[in-house]
Amino acid sequence: EVQLVESGGGLVQPGGSLRLSCAASGFTFSSYEMNWVRQAPGKGPEWVSYISSTGATIYYADSVKGRFTVSRDNAKNSLHLQVNSLRAEDTAVYYCARLYGPGSSGYMDVWGQGTTVTVSS
Amino acid sequence: DIQMTQSPSTLSASVGDRVTITCRASQSISSWLAWYQQKPGKAPNLLIYKASGLQSGVPSRFSGSGSGTEFTLTINSLQPDDFATYYCQQYNIYWTFGQGTKVEIK
Repeated sequence: EVQLVESGGGLVQPGGSLRLSCAASGFTFSSYEMNWVRQAPGKGPEWVSYISSTGATIYYADSVKGRFTVSRDNAKNSLHLQVNSLRAEDTAVYYCARLYGPGSSGYMDVWGQGTTVTVSS
Repeated sequence: DIQMTQSPSTLSASVGDRVTITCRASQSISSWLAWYQQKPGKAPNLLIYKASGLQSGVPSRFSGSGSGTEFTLTINSLQPDDFATYYCQQYNIYWTFGQGTKVEIK
């Protein structure tokens, strides 16, 4: 079964950091580009970051550029998002999602269940 | 940045109804549009890709159409399991979601 499982979320104070992880199974992880997407309470989803299958190409949304870092370990079938300098507006459920389609213009065909990040003092 | 605008924001319908949701892009995105269904506490679930492609396992009562800047999602004969929130998403340049359309029971 194709599956993505996120972990690492939690309650953190403003300015704090977390490392989110996404464990992939049931498919050849190293062949797929991946995205991180977040969804604030009561809001629509927001794309956060993209990483190519090899990790050579990375993109970030302007709202997180300079604070978040995406990485992957294809040997361990895992995706990571280091989130630093957290702000209240970063409070959201964070999803990892597999991309399917040509180049970096793919759609997200498989999603994890999400991990919740709450930024509050 | 490409903005995606959905209408309506909320739609009240009954089982068996045919419903249509509209999505407009702020610039042409060709056919690089997907539709997702989301239920409370769950991740979005892909329904339609490339504007009109039906994702495997998705019932045929769901269909998508459009190109350029105007797109629609149609649900024929609405079923109880279809009451949910629907999002359009462009993937022409990065990825942007619409604000969502909640389909509720009339």
